[in-house]
Amino acid sequence: DAGVIQSPRHEVTEMGQEVTLRCKPISGHNSLFWYRQTMMRGLELLIYFNNNVPIDDSGMPEDRFSAKMPNASFSTLKIQPSEPRDSAVYFCASSTTGAQEKLFFGSGTQLSVL
Amino acid sequence: AQSVTQPDIHITVSEGASLELRCNYSYGATPYLFWYVQSPGQGLQLLLKYFSGDTLVQGIKGFEAEFKRSQSSFNLRKPSVHWSDAAEYFCAVGRLSGNTPLVFGKGTRLSVIA
Repeated sequence: DAGVIQSPRHEVTEMGQEVTLRCKPISGHNSLFWYRQTMMRGLELLIYFNNNVPIDDSGMPEDRFSAKMPNASFSTLKIQPSEPRDSAVYFCASSTTGAQEKLFFGSGTQLSVL
Repeated sequence: AQSVTQPDIHITVSEGASLELRCNYSYGATPYLFWYVQSPGQGLQLLLKYFSGDTLVQGIKGFEAEFKRSQSSFNLRKPSVHWSDAAEYFCAVGRLSGNTPLVFGKGTRLSVIA
């Protein structure tokens, strides 16, 4: 298995632009998680899905952030408009049955908003 | 609310020396505890987990951790550190029931010197 695949690996954009991060979970995994990692705040859960349904999005910073999972093999995290304080590494992770099981992380997207 | 505290932000050890990374948790229910490792530029990888039973658990790469309920701790240990162990280490807590995702600590960065 190729593992959790995220794209792009690096994204540099200007303030105000729309940013879309993509994630392909491991086949057969039915839970998907989006995390944001910064030096100041560590690893924060933004949102997670079970069977393509958003379960908890309370970690999403504000309305500029949105996430979708149209099918079991694809999810997006969108920021519109982006701001410099959104600069971080964004991780996608998947697991088989929920949060208590082993999480498999992608390599992350390093986002820089100028 | 559940929380995880990793008191040490950065630790430096000599290659071959022993290692202990501290983790304290606050949780209202029976905790399920995890240690993850993050190598530079990579996502997190599971080292070990504790669900029940023997309080000393063995993980990959020669790591072990001990669950001490009385101290609310789950410290990670390795008897002899290798240079390749230099990475960021995250402790996390979760529970089996419901759809509650893992809560991660802010991590401890391990540097290994010759």
